[in-house]
Amino acid sequence: GAGVSQSPSNKVTEKGKDVELRCDPISGHTALYWYRQSLGQGLEFLIYFQGNSAPDKSGLPSDRFSAERTGGSVSTLTIQRTQQEDSAVYLCASSLGELRNSPLHFGNGTRLTVT
Amino acid sequence: QKEVEQDPGPLSVPEGAIVSLNCTYSNSAFQYFMWYRQYSRKGPELLMYTYSSGNKEDGRFTAQVDKSSKYISLFIRDSQPSDSATYLCAMTLTSGGSYIPTFGRGTSLIVHP
Repeated sequence: GAGVSQSPSNKVTEKGKDVELRCDPISGHTALYWYRQSLGQGLEFLIYFQGNSAPDKSGLPSDRFSAERTGGSVSTLTIQRTQQEDSAVYLCASSLGELRNSPLHFGNGTRLTVT
Repeated sequence: QKEVEQDPGPLSVPEGAIVSLNCTYSNSAFQYFMWYRQYSRKGPELLMYTYSSGNKEDGRFTAQVDKSSKYISLFIRDSQPSDSATYLCAMTLTSGGSYIPTFGRGTSLIVHP
């Protein structure tokens, strides 16, 4: 079956513009995560969705960042008024979510460059 | 201090060498430990996971957890050029709250022929 799909794979935008990043998780996976990976840095947690529960937004770095998950499937991460420090690879992952050893399956990310 | 520390490398070894990759952590409540491999311009993929202390072996890979020292390791035997990638450790709590893995920054491994 298909893995986690992210689009676009690359995005170049001007400072101050808004961007939307999309994630299609693996069918049947109830948990969905967004992480950010900057050059030479580890994965920085952004937001977590589990089923119909309220999302865990504790990792969002500012109120310019928001995410939603429609119908328990596709998720969109929105960054408003982009800044140069937002340049990074944004990774989405999904998992079965109900077991603590349920592995995360990652997409190949969206490489965001803010000029 | 980050919760999970990992030397970014790069670590360069000749083909056939035994590779040792390590992470230390500060939160003694971590119980599940994972290793992910990430090739350039790809997402991380799960290599191994272990629960609590001990060793786990899978082919050329061995994961080791020492909870008393808050130290985990991944050993790669007979390393191959195809093992060249970034290796990220990750860990989660066992109880309370949501299941959100905390990742190290990754170690870049280069295996040269």
